[in-house]
Amino acid sequence: KNQVEQSPQSLIILEGKNCTLQCNYTVSPFSNLRWYKQDTGRGPVSLTIMTFSENTKSNGRYTATLDADTKQSSLHITASQLSDSASYICVVSETGGFKTIFGAGTRLFVKA
Amino acid sequence: GAGVSQSPSNKVTEKGKDVELRCDPISGHTALYWYRQSLGQGLEFLIYFQGNSAPDKSGLPSDRFSAERTGGSVSTLTIQRTQQEDSAVYLCASRTLATGTGELFFGEGSRLTVL
Repeated sequence: KNQVEQSPQSLIILEGKNCTLQCNYTVSPFSNLRWYKQDTGRGPVSLTIMTFSENTKSNGRYTATLDADTKQSSLHITASQLSDSASYICVVSETGGFKTIFGAGTRLFVKA
Repeated sequence: GAGVSQSPSNKVTEKGKDVELRCDPISGHTALYWYRQSLGQGLEFLIYFQGNSAPDKSGLPSDRFSAERTGGSVSTLTIQRTQQEDSAVYLCASRTLATGTGELFFGEGSRLTVL
């Protein structure tokens, strides 16, 4: 069964600190993996997309990694800000890009 | 439109009533999805429309839930005889067939509260 598992379920860090969120998946055949950010009361917004051949991709203070062999991805947030407080959702698409599997998300709380 | 539009943004209803939630996807997007998100939980897939193909209804939790998409654009999610456990945020997302990257563009959601 295609699954996406994220850890930790929630995380509290101090402003300015770094953190790393994990995503393991069993989706096959793999097309791409996206990290979405969902602010409270809003719809999710895409941060990064990783395809099979990509290992690392950055978007500002966000850096995503992908190991297609072990089927693992991580999202690293550098120098966290209060506005980073949100849910981060790992989403994996099957080949063709139409079947999409969502992880349960990691809730990040950044405190001053 | 510029983004995915959902209405109403908030709906409070009494148990047993029917509700309709509307989604207006981004113009030109052929794929449309409905998700449900309970408080503090992840997104639960409900239904998926792709062009003129038969919708994937595998996520609908019961026969009280139905959805249609008219003219390949606007979609309506209908919940009949609402129950308290139906209280959640219902999110709609769309994406274009042409990109091949699969990014989903989400609306702001419709928050349903069943009393």
